[in-house]
Amino acid sequence: EDQVTQSPEALRLQEGESSSLNCSYTVSGLRGLFWYRQDPGKGPEFLFTLYSAGEEKEKERLKATLTKKESFLHITAPKPEDSATYLCAVRASSGSARQLTFGSGTQLTVLP
Amino acid sequence: DTEVTQTPKHLVMGMTNKKSLKCEQHMGHRAMYWYKQKAKKPPELMFVYSYEKLSINESVPSRFSPECPNSSLLNLHLHALQPEDSALYLCASSHGILRTYEQYFGPGTRLTVT
Repeated sequence: EDQVTQSPEALRLQEGESSSLNCSYTVSGLRGLFWYRQDPGKGPEFLFTLYSAGEEKEKERLKATLTKKESFLHITAPKPEDSATYLCAVRASSGSARQLTFGSGTQLTVLP
Repeated sequence: DTEVTQTPKHLVMGMTNKKSLKCEQHMGHRAMYWYKQKAKKPPELMFVYSYEKLSINESVPSRFSPECPNSSLLNLHLHALQPEDSALYLCASSHGILRTYEQYFGPGTRLTVT
């Protein structure tokens, strides 16, 4: 069974304090790993897709990386507006049309 | 433009009511999805439509009835809901389902069943 585990569940950072969020996955043939940001009461906002180990994507203060077992979302010099829940999801070859298996998310709070 | 719109934003309904949630996208996507999300949980897939045909029904109770009138629109008809059905209902779309495409989510409808 495909599994996605995100850690930590919650993270509090001071503004400017860089850190990383982890997404560990166990799937039978990874066909894509996705990162989303979700603000309270709103829909997830697409951030990145990663397809193969060694791949990296960047957007503003965020950088996503992928290995064969996990993905990291690095946040450099975060600002309070980066506070949100960050969701990781994978699509496995066994998933067919069901598409995505989500992790439980990391709730990030950036304090001014 | 990567926008998926959903109406209404909030809905309060009694257990005997019939209501509908609406979703629209104009990105030319041919796959559309309904998800249910409870507080502090990830989204749970309910239905998948591909080329206006229902592809996946994740054993959702019959009180939820999806409809895809055309490639841009997706509805979710609600009838005789239970209080435990209160949740954020999310619509999403993607280019298709046969390859790996990112899904774009709408803002959601916050549903409260009284």
